[in-house]
Amino acid sequence: EDQVTQSPEALRLQEGESSSLNCSYTVSGLRGLFWYRQDPGKGPEFLFTLYSAGEEKEKERLKATLTKKESFLHITAPKPEDSATYLCAIETGRRALTFGSGTRLQVQP
Amino acid sequence: EAGVVQSPRYKIIEKKQPVAFWCNPISGHNTLYWYLQNLGQGPELLIRYENEEAVDDSQLPKDRFSAERLKGVDSTLKIQPAELGDSAVYLCASSPAGSYEQYFGPGTRLTVT
Repeated sequence: EDQVTQSPEALRLQEGESSSLNCSYTVSGLRGLFWYRQDPGKGPEFLFTLYSAGEEKEKERLKATLTKKESFLHITAPKPEDSATYLCAIETGRRALTFGSGTRLQVQP
Repeated sequence: EAGVVQSPRYKIIEKKQPVAFWCNPISGHNTLYWYLQNLGQGPELLIRYENEEAVDDSQLPKDRFSAERLKGVDSTLKIQPAELGDSAVYLCASSPAGSYEQYFGPGTRLTVT
């Protein structure tokens, strides 16, 4: 069964304190791994797609990496506006996403 | 470019009442999805449309849930009758042909009392 597990469930950082969020997955055939950001009361906002092990993508203070078993979302020198829930999802050929439960990130000034 | 539009944003109903949610996808996106999101969880797929055809409705509780996508553009998701356990956020997403990237609307928060 395809499965996505995210850790930690919640993370509190001080502004400027870099850290990483983890997304581990089990799947028979990965078509893509996706990162989304979700603010309270809003729908998930697309961030990155990764397709193969070794691939990396960056956007502002965020960098996503992918191995054969997990993905990391690295947050460098975060700011309070980076506070949100970060969701990881996999696409396995059904043209639908299987999501993890997310990591709730809080960045304090 | 306008994003995915959903209405209403919030809905409060009593159990056993019917409810309907509407979604208009991004223009040109032929794939439309309905997801359900419970508090503290990631979204879970209910149904996927390719144009006007429902190609994956295996997770849709068909005894009380129904959906349609007439003319392959906007879509309606209906629950009849609603139960207390249906309280959740209902998200609509769309993607263009040939892409796995999905773009979500703001969701409809349903509260069943």
